[in-house]
Amino acid sequence: GEDVEQSLFLSVREGDSSVINCTYTDSSSTYLYWYKQEPGAGLQLLTYIFSNMDMKQDQRLTVLLNKKDKHLSLRIADTQTGDSAIYFCAENDRGSTLGRLYFGRGTQLTVWP
Amino acid sequence: DGGITQSPKYLFRKEGQNVTLSCEQNLNHDAMYWYRQDPGQGLRLIYYSQIVNDFQKGDIAEGYSVSREKKESFPLTVTSAQKNPTAFYLCASSPDRGVFFGQGTRLTVV
Repeated sequence: GEDVEQSLFLSVREGDSSVINCTYTDSSSTYLYWYKQEPGAGLQLLTYIFSNMDMKQDQRLTVLLNKKDKHLSLRIADTQTGDSAIYFCAENDRGSTLGRLYFGRGTQLTVWP
Repeated sequence: DGGITQSPKYLFRKEGQNVTLSCEQNLNHDAMYWYRQDPGQGLRLIYYSQIVNDFQKGDIAEGYSVSREKKESFPLTVTSAQKNPTAFYLCASSPDRGVFFGQGTRLTVV
């Protein structure tokens, strides 16, 4: 986990956009993932991006990947109170087992009404 | 329903006892994984299996054991050798891309 860094907290007002940032260290990672975790629950896969892409959009979610800087971000448009959760960034194993993931510590997103 | 089922949701055990956590999937995924989550931390890999009858240690395998006798099932045993077993345990499975998680088992050792 120490190779994947995320800020720990983010607060936004309902209706605003949220941007959660992540840095990673392994340039050979094939996929980079974003997961959402609500209290007491498992991890919900939100989206993932292949390492040869710069951007991926899926409804309210936009993922941006800067491979040169090893920086990944997740933008949530029109953030709702139901988006309040912990968001984890993860990179896959260094080129071999696709499901072997390395996680950041998670960003706690709080959405204020 | 398709998915990954972990049971039980909560588990309490006395120190020194072995305990087995169940994980079943009906997604026909070949690969399955066990992760551990501690408060305020990311997830760390305990064991993984890419095919039936084969499994490999992850980053924190000491004090744990697994088996993979069927494609659908990947139980995790937390042994008395695990020094700090109290944690949230998450099972996952994967097709060729994407990793999908169960709802977790919270183990408390008293």
